Amino acid sequence: GIQVEQSPPDLILQEGANSTLRCNFSDSVNNLQWFHQNPWGQLINLFYIPSGTKQNGRLSATTVATERYSLLYISSSQTTDSGVYFCAVSNTGNQFYFGTGTSLTVIP
Amino acid sequence: ETGVTQTPRHLVMGMTNKKSLKCEQHLGHNAMYWYKQSAKKPLELMFVYSLEERVENNSVPSRFSPECPNSSHLFLHLHTLQPEDSALYLCASSPGVYTEAFFGQGTRLTVV
Repeated sequence: GIQVEQSPPDLILQEGANSTLRCNFSDSVNNLQWFHQNPWGQLINLFYIPSGTKQNGRLSATTVATERYSLLYISSSQTTDSGVYFCAVSNTGNQFYFGTGTSLTVIP
Repeated sequence: ETGVTQTPRHLVMGMTNKKSLKCEQHLGHNAMYWYKQSAKKPLELMFVYSLEERVENNSVPSRFSPECPNSSHLFLHLHTLQPEDSALYLCASSPGVYTEAFFGQGTRLTVV
């Protein structure tokens, strides 16, 4: 299967700070998603971004498929951004492979 | 409000019990999935259904038995579970198999 590595594993930020989360993957993919898992366990879709750049409010993501990585940017972080961020990838007809996540804590 | 709804949210069961987890999707998707999330481990794919037909079974023990009566509903029947089966069970759906996935809130299962 595809190996997915996320970094950093843990991150603590002061409210208002910016951060970059990284997802590296070991094979070519044509599907990539970023999720935020809230404290109650639900995985919330952030971006479906197999390539290119997307922005949604304070969050943006960039995937460089040819170099096998994706970045998630969080600007002006808020305490509600706390949780675990997962990257998941797949290629055609194959299952999604998830990374082990980045655990983000935003302190007031 | 989520397009994928799981019930119950929490479940405590003994090793000799039989229980079922339910998942319902309101998104008109054709594929549905069960995942298991244990502490400090990546999500593990358990089962995949496409148009009510099972297309993947990832070497899951037979004490977990899925059922997909229609493309909107997915069940996971549980019997004689072990304490190590305690985990968060997540249901997801997608328009086609292994396309953009949407998850439910999960069922946190504790086996005692």
